[in-house]
Amino acid sequence: GIQVEQSPPDLILQEGANSTLRCNFSDSVNNLQWFHQNPWGQLINLFYIPSGTKQNGRLSATTVATERYSLLYISSSQTTDSGVYFCAVESGGSNYKLTFGKGTLLTVNP
Amino acid sequence: SAVISQKPSRDICQRGTSLTIQCQVDSQVTMMFWYRQQPGQSLTLIATANQGSEATYESGFVIDKFPISRPNLTFSTLTVSNMSPEDSSIYLCSVGDRGYIQYFGAGTRLSVL
Repeated sequence: GIQVEQSPPDLILQEGANSTLRCNFSDSVNNLQWFHQNPWGQLINLFYIPSGTKQNGRLSATTVATERYSLLYISSSQTTDSGVYFCAVESGGSNYKLTFGKGTLLTVNP
Repeated sequence: SAVISQKPSRDICQRGTSLTIQCQVDSQVTMMFWYRQQPGQSLTLIATANQGSEATYESGFVIDKFPISRPNLTFSTLTVSNMSPEDSSIYLCSVGDRGYIQYFGAGTRLSVL
């Protein structure tokens, strides 16, 4: 099956800093989503981005499907951005099932 | 986006017992899935809940341990049977329509003593 690798595994920032999270995948994808898992375990949809670039406030994402990677940018980080960021992909023939990366644990200190 | 209600939000159970988790969606959806997230780990798909037919299980998961029902397009249950401490995890349901965004419920935190 498709492989999903996220980097870095852990990231510690000071409030106000910017960061880039990366997601590499091993095959072409029909669906790519970025999620934020908050401390209570809730998975919050950030972006549906199988290709192209999207922005939502301080967050933006870019997927370069031909090169099989996606980037999540967080600008002017806040303590509430802390949590685990997951990239999940759906490849052709997977019957719409998502395969998750191992996530990036982000800690934003005040 | 779909609104997903998952119950219970958390539970503490004794080994050898079973727990049924409910997932209710506020609209009809084509796809419903159940995931497990073990402590400190990523999400792993347990099965696809098929409306009106048996669920489709992923490798490593079996119906006897994780029976699933999906009587209609808005509701599904996952039962964790004959629990052991290794079953302590967060269990999440997700919903989606073919080719589009998947949304997740808030999850059920299960601790087995």
